[in-house]
Amino acid sequence: AQSVSQHNHHVILSEAASLELGCNYSYGGTVNLFWYVQYPGQHLQLLLKYFSGDPLVKGIKGFEAEFIKSKFSFNLRKPSVQWSDTAEYFCAVNAEAAGNKLTFGGGTRVLVKP
Amino acid sequence: GAVVSQHPSWVICKSGTSVKIECRSLDFQATTMFWYRQFPKQSLMLMATSNEGSKATYEQGVEKDKFLINHASLTLSTLTVTSAHPEDSSFYICSARDPRDRSNSPLHFGNGTRLTVT
Repeated sequence: AQSVSQHNHHVILSEAASLELGCNYSYGGTVNLFWYVQYPGQHLQLLLKYFSGDPLVKGIKGFEAEFIKSKFSFNLRKPSVQWSDTAEYFCAVNAEAAGNKLTFGGGTRVLVKP
Repeated sequence: GAVVSQHPSWVICKSGTSVKIECRSLDFQATTMFWYRQFPKQSLMLMATSNEGSKATYEQGVEKDKFLINHASLTLSTLTVTSAHPEDSSFYICSARDPRDRSNSPLHFGNGTRLTVT
């Protein structure tokens, strides 16, 4: 069975600090990778996705993620966070061989202090 | 863009009663919808895949007789929590993929329904 692991459950940092959230998956074959964000009281929104091609993916709001196939990782980064980036971030994996079921990681709560 | 709408946004019910949650795709027809459940401070867990015109496919450990799913039209799937108990209190989220998109394209999520069973 596929699984998705996010290393940090909680992250607290100050504005302008850099952010990196880890995500590892354990699934062979072709995968599609996503990062979703859930702001307080809001629904999930897609930050970025990787299907194929350039392993460095640019998303919305200054986020990017790098797919490293050899490490089964898809870490999310942002060079300089803002208070408005306070949210919960979910990594998700989709595999066609598994019927396109989207599996989520446990989530990371990020608190950016002003 | 594609929008998925859920109703109600929140509901409080008494133990033993049943609650119905609706999920609608507003500008596309969804032959497949997905129901997720999110416990506080936890991730989303897939409960079941709702298939238009046929039975839903439930994930392991999800009671199909307790969580009734009906996908009677291409734009509406319903999740009914039957004989609700306090442990069913959770955040339920539906999602769908626009069939005009690739088969592995991102899902569109509803705003979720917060169920509290007293």
